[in-house]
Amino acid sequence: DAGVIQSPRHEVTEMGQEVTLRCKPISGHNSLFWYRQTMMRGLELLIYFNNNVPIDDSGMPEDRFSAKMPNASFSTLKIQPSEPRDSAVYFCASTPYGARDTEAFFGQGTRLTVV
Amino acid sequence: GIQVEQSPPDLILQEGANSTLRCNFSDSVNNLQWFHQNPWGQLINLFYIPSGTKQNGRLSATTVATERYSLLYISSSQTTDSGVYFCAGGHGSSNTGKLIFGQGTTLQVKP
Repeated sequence: DAGVIQSPRHEVTEMGQEVTLRCKPISGHNSLFWYRQTMMRGLELLIYFNNNVPIDDSGMPEDRFSAKMPNASFSTLKIQPSEPRDSAVYFCASTPYGARDTEAFFGQGTRLTVV
Repeated sequence: GIQVEQSPPDLILQEGANSTLRCNFSDSVNNLQWFHQNPWGQLINLFYIPSGTKQNGRLSATTVATERYSLLYISSSQTTDSGVYFCAGGHGSSNTGKLIFGQGTTLQVKP
């Protein structure tokens, strides 16, 4: 398996623009997670899905952030409008929810810079 | 939610030395993982270890679930071991794979 695939790897955008990050989980995994990594806050969970349904979005910082999972093989995280404080590395991860071992595997991340 | 505390925050070793990294949890966990974040930012899975002991080459890990801590041992360290080591755990009635991360231990191995 190719692992969790994220795109783009790097994104530079201007304040106020819409940004869309994409994730393809490992085939067969039915839980998907979006994390954000910053120097100040470390790695924090933003939202996660089980079987394409959002379960817990309490980590989403504000209404400018939204996430969708239209099918089992694709998810997006959208920021609209973007702000400089959104600059961070965004990771997507997937796990086989319901399996005996729910080991999480991470994508390579998207480094977002908002100027 | 649970709190995850890692120690030490920073560690400098000479190549060939051994080290132990510790992770404490404020509550019981039903899944626990150790990761290595390399200089390119990738999160590499080291161990999935909610309990017991596992070994993989020069690395091994032990989790004592009843006492809410886990240890990562690195033996005969190499410069390629440099980076940040994270432990992360999850808890709750259902094991979803959701993880709460510690702040990491930054390891520098000098040649």
